[in-house]
Amino acid sequence: KAGVTQTPRYLIKTRGQQVTLSCSPISGHRSVSWYQQTPGQGLQFLFEYFSETQRNKGNFPGRFSGRQFSNSRSEMNVSTLELGDSALYLCASSSAANSPLHFGNGTRLTVT
Amino acid sequence: GDSVTQMEGPVTLSEEAFLTINCTYTATGYPSLFWYVQYPGEGLQLLLKATKADDKGSNKGFEATYRKETTSFHLEKGSVQVSDSAVYFCALSENNNNDMRFGAGTRLTVKP
Repeated sequence: KAGVTQTPRYLIKTRGQQVTLSCSPISGHRSVSWYQQTPGQGLQFLFEYFSETQRNKGNFPGRFSGRQFSNSRSEMNVSTLELGDSALYLCASSSAANSPLHFGNGTRLTVT
Repeated sequence: GDSVTQMEGPVTLSEEAFLTINCTYTATGYPSLFWYVQYPGEGLQLLLKATKADDKGSNKGFEATYRKETTSFHLEKGSVQVSDSAVYFCALSENNNNDMRFGAGTRLTVKP
C-alpha cells in the first residue's frame, strides 16, 4: 500500500506570495491532518479534514487554509507569505479518529 | 488544554546502552498515547501506542507503559543501536479527533 505522498518536497517563495501544498493520503483513509514543524515551536496542528469537511482547526491565522477533495486528496494554501512561515509542513492521514497518524515526508517551505 | 512534556535532549548514548526518554501529559479525559520517531529528511513514523491505562505498547525493542496515576508514558529500550539515532516524539489525542498534541521531541544519538 502506498504511503502518504506530499508534493513538492521543497519550495522557495518570497514574502507576500502565496503557496499551495498537496497531499495524497493512504488509500482508504478519509482523514487528512496538516502540521507545521519548526525548530522553535515544534509540531503544531493546523487543521484536519474528513470527507471534504474541516473537522478541526488549530490556532493559525486565516492566511492558512485547506481543502479536501472527494478522493480524499488535500491541499493546503498559505497566502501573503511571511518569513516566519518557513517550516516543514507535514501531512498525515488516518483511518479513524484517535487512530495512529501516517505521515508523509513533508514539504519544506522557505520564505525569503 | 491538553499538552505533552518530554525530556529535553539531546541524548547521546553508546551502543547497547539502556535508553529512557521521559514523557508526561496533561489531559482532561482519557487520551490515547503514542510515540513517533523521525529520521533525518523524513516524516514521523508511529513507533508504538497505548489506548488505556496500564496498556504497554511495544515495537522494535522499544516499550512504553500508560501510567494514569503518574500521567506518564516513558519510552524505554534495553539496548540501543546506532540505527536508533533519530528524534522521538511523545504525543496524545483524545476527544475523538485527530488534533494530536506532540511533545517538543528528543534527539537521540547512538555512538558505536
